Amino acid sequence: EIVMTQSPATLSVSPGERATLSCRASQSVVSNLAWYQQKPGQSPRLLIYAASTRATGIPARFSGSGSGTEFTLTISGLRSEDSAVYYCHQYNNWPPSVTFGGGTRVEIK
Amino acid sequence: QVTLRESGPALVKPTQTLTLTCTFSGFSLDTSGMSVSWIRQPPGKALEWLARIDWDDDKYFNTSLKTRLTISKDTSKNQVVLTMTNMDPVDTATYYCARIPPYSSGACDIWGQGTVVTVSS
Repeated sequence: EIVMTQSPATLSVSPGERATLSCRASQSVVSNLAWYQQKPGQSPRLLIYAASTRATGIPARFSGSGSGTEFTLTISGLRSEDSAVYYCHQYNNWPPSVTFGGGTRVEIK
Repeated sequence: QVTLRESGPALVKPTQTLTLTCTFSGFSLDTSGMSVSWIRQPPGKALEWLARIDWDDDKYFNTSLKTRLTISKDTSKNQVVLTMTNMDPVDTATYYCARIPPYSSGACDIWGQGTVVTVSS
């Protein structure tokens, strides 16, 4: 099983600043990686897929990068509504394997 | 508009079998490349993928839970059904179904609201 490790566990950032979230895979997942945002009491929301493609309706201040085993989600110009837990998700398709990271909680100072 | 809605019992007893139904609209599971996954989330914990069924009826399961899970689809009813046998209190979680569209290659673009399942005697 591919293990996804997210860091840091919690990130505290001031409004308007940049948040950088990391996700590391235990083996290459090529670019088969997504990022989700989950607010309390809500379902996860797809932000990024294929490592760097923004999902429909996602603002440009959310960006994804990386390939292989190292991935980054960057949130620029942080807003209060960005306070949430962010999960990475690898869906490397051969062999079929799907795992999520443990999440990074983003707090607004 | 694409929507998914999970339904099933809120409470099950240990050793019982859980049956959850995902009823969806706005897309067809007959469409080439379309899939539906089930994911769960224990209270305060991370997401855990459970199973996936593809448009062509291919099925994939979490390897650690494979012996307990079955997944099926009824395209005429726009439903996907997940069963999990031998339920245990550690299976207490919110269970989500989510769509995987052809363009995403595996990412879940639309999620249901989730259904909370508690396992307790």
